[in-house]
Amino acid sequence: QQQVKQSPQSLIVQKGGISIINCAYENTAFDYFPWYQQFPGKGPALLIAIRPDVSEKKEGRFTISFNKSAKQFSLHIMDSQPGDSATYFCAAHAGNMLTFGGGTRLMVKP
Amino acid sequence: GAGVSQSPSNKVTEKGKDVELRCDPISGHTALYWYRQSLGQGLEFLIYFQGNSAPDKSGLPSDRFSAERTGGSVSTLTIQRTQQEDSAVYLCASSPRRSYNSPLHFGNGTRLTVT
Repeated sequence: QQQVKQSPQSLIVQKGGISIINCAYENTAFDYFPWYQQFPGKGPALLIAIRPDVSEKKEGRFTISFNKSAKQFSLHIMDSQPGDSATYFCAAHAGNMLTFGGGTRLMVKP
Repeated sequence: GAGVSQSPSNKVTEKGKDVELRCDPISGHTALYWYRQSLGQGLEFLIYFQGNSAPDKSGLPSDRFSAERTGGSVSTLTIQRTQQEDSAVYLCASSPRRSYNSPLHFGNGTRLTVT
């Protein structure tokens, strides 16, 4: 059973545009929501994370918006750059495990 | 410092053969995880170690899969009698402590192809 649903599966954005990736969850036991970035041939790396008692977290061009009542959270990449082209995974933590979404392949066109 | 190291980086094996995948976590990291990533798919949890013990084996897909960790460091994931559906990238991650906000540090994975 997929506990974290991520959309879209793929996304194409022009350089300078805003990339938006959405995730939804059902398990209310989740207590931490990180996003990971993965480049081809590499393992995922932590990008940014948020706790459920916070509605928004911003780090540079990356922002997480969190809606606890809707059980949804999203990643916004402002001023998207070709170097941001990668696969992005949302995740949710409960117990000792991270459950990952299905991933979004982002392509930023120059 | 050195990151998580996985070997081999690529492995091609014939159906029915056994394979061993190795993970060297970051020194001092007590938590170790194995995930599987199929082509174009998300990350599927396989197993978690805290020290040498594996309190959560719920993700292992069948009894052909097993894993161990020795000395609180190196871990080996073994797949017996490999099947074509086992083809995937196997990712190992380590974490410095058992805490909700402790980030996972992933290796670059082992790409397993079963022919």
